[in-house]
Amino acid sequence: GAGVSQSPSNKVTEKGKDVELRCDPISGHTALYWYRQSLGQGLEFLIYFQGNSAPDKSGLPSDRFSAERTGGSVSTLTIQRTQQEDSAVYLCASSFTRGGEQFFGPGTRLTVL
Amino acid sequence: GESVGLHLPTLSVQEGDNSIINCAYSNSASDYFIWYKQESGKGPQFIIDIRSNMDKRQGQRVTVLLNKTVKHLSLQIAATQPGDSAVYFCAENSGGSNYKLTFGKGTLLTVNP
Repeated sequence: GAGVSQSPSNKVTEKGKDVELRCDPISGHTALYWYRQSLGQGLEFLIYFQGNSAPDKSGLPSDRFSAERTGGSVSTLTIQRTQQEDSAVYLCASSFTRGGEQFFGPGTRLTVL
Repeated sequence: GESVGLHLPTLSVQEGDNSIINCAYSNSASDYFIWYKQESGKGPQFIIDIRSNMDKRQGQRVTVLLNKTVKHLSLQIAATQPGDSAVYFCAENSGGSNYKLTFGKGTLLTVNP
């Protein structure tokens, strides 16, 4: 595809359930980022993947959050035992190189009831 | 203008007017700045960037001004159009291969026809 895609576009879940959010970066982009955007807020960095290097997980808010990137392409962000404060838009971005221009996907809007 | 900790600022202009969106950044070590536009339901889209060795950069209908003395960044949009209505974010990082962007909360621009 021409851009970063994310699925699902919307996810409604019940408190305590696990969710998985998917990101397909632009083909050939080695760097992939996850951000969280709460209502009326800027973007909060969560995690960064670069090639085969160990990811930078310094932005993950708790151990309920994890992410993986398989084969250097698709990434999945998993939130276990979801809480209402996890409700936000989760955005994925990719860039051709580390520090390069980041291209964002449309996001997944997560609502935890 | 925008600053961390405040409610989302709003700017309402008439079509054809010039718009100025302001951003106060926090890290004096930041040397790379980006403006993003985010339309409703979409991910942020790169508009223009500037490095700290410059104080002004122009694009198509947009100009970014950087004042490092007071840590202030502004985005000027000439002849604002209804399609410019969106939330505008500034982001900063220390440039080079640094991948972590720190985003402001954003300013909502509404263009009235």
